[in-house]
Amino acid sequence: SSELTQDPAVSVALGQTVRITCQGDSLRSYYASWYQQKPGQAPVLVIYGKNNRPSGIPDRFSGSSSGNTASLTITGAQAEDEADYYCNSRDSSGNHLFGGGTKLTVL
Amino acid sequence: QVQLVQSGAEVKKPGASVKVSCKASGYTFTSYGISWVRQAPGQGLEWMGWISAYNGNTNYAQKLQGRVTMTTDTSTSTAYMELRSLRSDDTAVYYCARVGGAYVAWGQGTLVTVSS
Repeated sequence: SSELTQDPAVSVALGQTVRITCQGDSLRSYYASWYQQKPGQAPVLVIYGKNNRPSGIPDRFSGSSSGNTASLTITGAQAEDEADYYCNSRDSSGNHLFGGGTKLTVL
Repeated sequence: QVQLVQSGAEVKKPGASVKVSCKASGYTFTSYGISWVRQAPGQGLEWMGWISAYNGNTNYAQKLQGRVTMTTDTSTSTAYMELRSLRSDDTAVYYCARVGGAYVAWGQGTLVTVSS
């Protein structure tokens, strides 16, 4: 099916590592990209391709993929990482897909 | 630097149409596509469709087929998204984004409110 599934909410203690996952059949064929969105702001790309970070994105953000699951890992989470995170990919028809989003709370 | 600047907020009545613009700068406009993404209040991101700024080819989300039209004006490096027969559940922030494998740059968003 052409859907991407994310856990609605995840929490992490300050300085610890957290993994946010995204599941979908299209991820077997296409890489996911990941976006961070803070309240009242436009999304920001944090990871794309196999594991690429745009300029300005801290190296504590990393991506990986296995089978139908893509993951965004934040190693040493900071208070400013508290945000909503969305995965994005495409299907074989060229339709783009977004996951439902994961709200990350940094405790 | 890459910049996408969108038109201002709109208030429309049910059944009306809205046209949102997205002016690009800082790159060769025809080298990338533009996607439109919307976000209803308190909800997630929803892909609406994509247009090639090179040749105008489009791909629309199935649920919006027949109500949405995306166009570009290469002379002004501007993309447009028109949504017709507006309903209350079309109330959302509408974003344009430059697409080149990933959504590298986003507009600031345009709030469209549909209310009688």
